[in-house]
Amino acid sequence: AQKVTQAQTEISVVEKEDVTLDCVYETRDTTYYLFWYKQPPSGELVFLIRRNSFDEQNEISGRYSWNFQKSTSSFNFTITASQVVDSAVYFCALAGNNRKLIWGLGTSLAVNP
Amino acid sequence: EPEVTQTPSHQVTQMGQEVILRCVPISNHLYFYWYRQILGQKVEFLVSFYNNEISEKSEIFDDQFSVERPDGSNFTLKIRSTKLEDSAMYFCASSEVPGQAPNQPQHFGDGTRLSIL
Repeated sequence: AQKVTQAQTEISVVEKEDVTLDCVYETRDTTYYLFWYKQPPSGELVFLIRRNSFDEQNEISGRYSWNFQKSTSSFNFTITASQVVDSAVYFCALAGNNRKLIWGLGTSLAVNP
Repeated sequence: EPEVTQTPSHQVTQMGQEVILRCVPISNHLYFYWYRQILGQKVEFLVSFYNNEISEKSEIFDDQFSVERPDGSNFTLKIRSTKLEDSAMYFCASSEVPGQAPNQPQHFGDGTRLSIL
């Protein structure tokens, strides 16, 4: 069975702090895909990143970076120098050989001024 | 940038009534999905659709639910006889080229908030 665990329910930081959102996944598929989505207070789901299981290269995009480690089945997301606009719920999701996304429960990030 | 659009943004319906949620996927996308998110909970997969038929559906997607692509642009979710527990945000998504591995990201609409009274 596939499963995504985001152990952090809520995180609160002060602006300019770095914050890491954890994601641990379970799957029996040898090929799979990991995603992060952002859900701001307005409710829409915004795609942030995808990562293939055969590509463990970490990625940086501006203030965002992702650390994929197959050995620990983790795909963590770090926001550097957080801003108030980063306040949102962040979801980690997994897709196996089918195309349905299996979602974590989400981590609610509050960035306070 | 192309977007997935969903209408209406908010639908209020009496229990037992039928409701149709509408979506216009991104025009060159061929794979379509519906998900739902009960307030404060995680997003749950309902159904995926390709080549005018359902590819996969979850246990949530029972006989009360149906999907249709009535023309070249719309993708609809129908709930035949709504129940209180159907109250949720319903998200439509689409993705490119199904021949590729499912690493193509699913792009989501803004959702329809369905409230069953």
